[in-house]
Amino acid sequence: EDQVTQSPEALRLQEGESSSLNCSYTVSGLRGLFWYRQDPGKGPEFLFTLYSAGEEKEKERLKATLTKKESFLHITAPKPEDSATYLCAVQALSHNNDMRFGAGTRLTVKP
Amino acid sequence: DSGVTQTPKHLITATGQRVTLRCSPRSGDLSVYWYQQSLDQGLQFLIQYYNGEERAKGNILERFSAQQFPDLHSELNLSSLELGDSALYFCASSPYSGGGQETQYFGPGTRLLVL
Repeated sequence: EDQVTQSPEALRLQEGESSSLNCSYTVSGLRGLFWYRQDPGKGPEFLFTLYSAGEEKEKERLKATLTKKESFLHITAPKPEDSATYLCAVQALSHNNDMRFGAGTRLTVKP
Repeated sequence: DSGVTQTPKHLITATGQRVTLRCSPRSGDLSVYWYQQSLDQGLQFLIQYYNGEERAKGNILERFSAQQFPDLHSELNLSSLELGDSALYFCASSPYSGGGQETQYFGPGTRLLVL
């Protein structure tokens, strides 16, 4: 069965302490992997789309990478305003290209 | 601001009732997607409309239905509401018909509480 698994469930960092979030997936025919940021009670905010293994994208303190089985969201020198839930989603032929989301990683950055 | 609008922001109703949630996509987007987000289920895809036609169905209950109008706004109708339907409902939009590789932009959501 297709699965999208994010780890860790929750992550607490000190301001400036770099780390990585993981999204592993078991699907056939990956069409795209998406990262979103979601603040409490708000809609997911688009961050990155990755289409093929080896691809990388960066935006400010965030960098997303993709392999054939997983994606990482690297956060460099995070600030308190980076605190949010980070969601990973995949579109794949094996589930009719519907957007399938992981459960998310809840990131807290302490000053 | 993604450009996707949803109304109302909050909705409180009773079991057995029917409600309608409304979504306006970003300017120029032809596809509208509906999602349900609850604490125990995460973000679940419900249904997609493209240019007025149903395109894809996910985990949508028979008590729920949706439509997309000629001006491309969409409505999600929830009937015979149960306590378990309490959740955040999101609408997203994208320019094309789906088929993968398409970024979806999400609205602010409607928080539904069924008492």
